[in-house]
Amino acid sequence: DAGVTQTPRHEVAEKGQTIILKCEPVSGHNDLFWYRQTKIQGLELLSYFRSKSLMEDGGAFKDRFKAEMLNSSFSTLKIQPTEPKDSAVYLCASSFTGSTGQLYFGEGSKLTVL
Amino acid sequence: AQSVTQPDARVTVSEGASLQLRCKYSSSVTPYLFWYVQYPRQGLQLLLKYYSGDPVVQGVNGFEAEFSKSNSSFHLRKASVHWSDSAVYFCAVSINTDKVVFGTGTRLQVSP
Repeated sequence: DAGVTQTPRHEVAEKGQTIILKCEPVSGHNDLFWYRQTKIQGLELLSYFRSKSLMEDGGAFKDRFKAEMLNSSFSTLKIQPTEPKDSAVYLCASSFTGSTGQLYFGEGSKLTVL
Repeated sequence: AQSVTQPDARVTVSEGASLQLRCKYSSSVTPYLFWYVQYPRQGLQLLLKYYSGDPVVQGVNGFEAEFSKSNSSFHLRKASVHWSDSAVYFCAVSINTDKVVFGTGTRLQVSP
């Protein structure tokens, strides 16, 4: 079974650029989450979709971060414009609705902003 | 809002020794509680979860965790660690079937 697939695995961007990270959830899962992982803050929730509807957009991340779920099997996270403080690992996870927190994670996209 | 505290950023134990990783949660109601593990260059994987019943829950690879309502804790234990257990361990909480809130993680180093 295919797990959660994230691309690219690594991305290097110049300050001010626009980057798009991609995620394919586990087939049949209808909840999808984007997290940002840093050593200091740990995992911070950026966005949460249920059946393609945006349930939470991460509050403090709203202004430059935009997640979309174009169909049930594909999601993107756009960061525009990027800043050096955005350097982090971005994790995508999916689950069945009502699975009580059993999330399946991708391997992450490591973003470095120069 | 629910939250999780993992007081130890790093823990080092010798191979074969026992392990306890600490987790304290804050929630107005009894939450779902989880431990996830992240091996190098991988995503997180579920080790175990708890909601109700026996306060000691078994997970994969010999891990177990004990829920304590009085202490608001959900500590992870293993009787004898192996070098391959070196990873980052995350405690997490959810009060419904929606989003999961994670702690900052504990990096476990198992020394030979």
